[in-house]
Amino acid sequence: TQLLEQSPQFLSIQEGENLTVYCNSSSVFSSLQWYRQEPGEGPVLLVTVVTGGEVKKLKRLTFQFGDARKDSSLHITAAQPGDTGLYLCYNFNKFYFGSGTKLNVKP
Amino acid sequence: DVKVTQSSRYLVKRTGEKVFLECVQDMDHENMFWYRQDPGLGLRLIYFSYDVKMKEKGDIPEGYSVSREKKERFSLILESASTNQTSMYLCASSFFRTGVDEQFFGPGTRLTVL
Repeated sequence: TQLLEQSPQFLSIQEGENLTVYCNSSSVFSSLQWYRQEPGEGPVLLVTVVTGGEVKKLKRLTFQFGDARKDSSLHITAAQPGDTGLYLCYNFNKFYFGSGTKLNVKP
Repeated sequence: DVKVTQSSRYLVKRTGEKVFLECVQDMDHENMFWYRQDPGLGLRLIYFSYDVKMKEKGDIPEGYSVSREKKERFSLILESASTNQTSMYLCASSFFRTGVDEQFFGPGTRLTVL
């Protein structure tokens, strides 16, 4: 099993602040997905990154895949209460999810 | 619209009972998955299936079995429920067997075993 460590585990911020969450692997992975899970719902795919060094933007969300393909980050600019949820990274080649970062954005 | 449904949102069972969790997808997806989600542990794969009557063990198959008699339906069975199986159970489906694909999740079943 390829371990996916996410940090921080919890994050509580005010609306308008910026934040970054991280996903690190003990070994190289070929590609990675980020999902967001809102309370009472199943996870929903945000993005897939497949190339080392790749950066993808989704409105206020910026996803980066490390050059060494062992880490990824998610940066949110000007967080909003609607960003509240559990953010999960996922190695779909191994069907393995990280433990998640629980984000709470306060109005 | 993509849809994965699970038979119950909440379920309470007693130790030793046989428990069936049902999952149905309407997207003609080949792959279906069962995960359990526990605080601080993320989602852990129990079983997955890439075709009718096919199944593969995930990371934590002990105490569980599955059945896939029809393409759209994937059932998770707890033969004799135990308190350590109290958890949130999530079903998912996806289209591709290999390569990049997207998993579509149901809303989950919160199972409590007393």
